[in-house]
Amino acid sequence: GQSLEQPSEVTAVEGAIVQINCTYQTSGFYGLSWYQQHDGGAPTFLSYNALDGLEETGRFSSFLSRSDSYGYLLLQELQMKDSASYFCAVRGRPSNTGKLIFGQGTTLQVKP
Amino acid sequence: DSGVTQTPKHLITATGQRVTLRCSPRSGDLSVYWYQQSLDQGLQFLIQYYNGEERAKGNILERFSAQQFPDLHSELNLSSLELGDSALYFCASSAPGGGETDTQYFGPGTRLTVL
Repeated sequence: GQSLEQPSEVTAVEGAIVQINCTYQTSGFYGLSWYQQHDGGAPTFLSYNALDGLEETGRFSSFLSRSDSYGYLLLQELQMKDSASYFCAVRGRPSNTGKLIFGQGTTLQVKP
Repeated sequence: DSGVTQTPKHLITATGQRVTLRCSPRSGDLSVYWYQQSLDQGLQFLIQYYNGEERAKGNILERFSAQQFPDLHSELNLSSLELGDSALYFCASSAPGGGETDTQYFGPGTRLTVL
């Protein structure tokens, strides 16, 4: 089957850096995605890694190591508005469908 | 605003009833996905339609069904509702083939409460 593991909660202070890890088990890998969801809101796409390495988008970066089946989302210069849930996701099987399998989500609380 | 619309925003109904949730994908997107999100579960994939045809199924209950119409909007039908069906139901759409980044665009969701 396919499964993803990520911490359930992370707390950090405004202005700090936080890393949210994700490990996955999947047969056939096509990339790791990250989504942000504010309380009760719609998930929104943040980033995608298909190849090993770091992808940077403003204050957010995402890293992937395919050999370790591991990725992380790095949030820098944390702001209060970054308090949200963050989900990692992989493409489900069969791969041509595009459906996503999500981790359980990490709730990030940013404190002043 | 993702461009995906869902109605209604909230729905309160009783056990045993049947409801229909509606979704309109972004203009040009052929794929529609339905996800269920309850308090103790993450985002669970239910079903996908692509250009009117069922493409993939997740752990969707037999009491649930969906369809995609020629204008590409989709409806999720939930019947014989149980308390445990109370959840947020999201619709998402994507470009044909999912695009290079597997990006899915989520609607605002329908919050279903079964009493």
